[in-house]
Amino acid sequence: QSVLTQPPSASGTPGQRATISCSGSSSNIGSNTVNWYQQLPGTAPKLLIYSINQRPSGVPDRFSGSKSGTSASLAISGLQSEDEADYYCAAWDDSLNGWVFGGGTKLTVL
Amino acid sequence: EVQLVESGGVVVQPGGSLRLSCAASGFRFDDDTMHWVRQAPGKGLEWVALVNWGGSRTYYGDSVKGRFTISRDNSKKALYLQMNSLRIEDTALYYCAKGGSGYSDAFDTWGQGTMVTVSS
Repeated sequence: QSVLTQPPSASGTPGQRATISCSGSSSNIGSNTVNWYQQLPGTAPKLLIYSINQRPSGVPDRFSGSKSGTSASLAISGLQSEDEADYYCAAWDDSLNGWVFGGGTKLTVL
Repeated sequence: EVQLVESGGVVVQPGGSLRLSCAASGFRFDDDTMHWVRQAPGKGLEWVALVNWGGSRTYYGDSVKGRFTISRDNSKKALYLQMNSLRIEDTALYYCAKGGSGYSDAFDTWGQGTMVTVSS
């Protein structure tokens, strides 16, 4: 059981917009920033969004992040087949003194 | 190019010990917090441990606390994970990841992982 809660799956057709939610608590998302990671099949995770809504160099602006209270969201607009991957949210937890991840969401582009 | 290369993963019996290594290159290693993150087969990511830039502060996930020890050698640009009292549930791909100057900075670079299998 992950500390952060994500839906196990999400889907959309090419060109559509998909959103993935991440629910936490006051000790993690509620008081700290949120990061998102993309893991393509058979590869290592890659930083996708940091500090809630910042994109590292090279990440398309189709990817965006937001946070409200103890929840965060990742939005992917203009879905492409290469966006099929597992997506994980993560945050520092002040009570645990450690990092916590969501269980991951498998995005399928139909 | 920033690069992290893990090594040391093998098949080990329950109760055994193992030391993983991570070789860093392409960045100023002693500026950054470093992490180990693991992924059991077919499962999600689980944070294991972090060590601060100087090696003086460490934090661990509850599932490994008291059994695993993270350390670093800045002169060798190397990160380590000493794993003792291994359990079957420690079977996973172990990733080394680079953080920032603070504990809560994102993991901006990941290695390719090294596989640890705990089995009798």
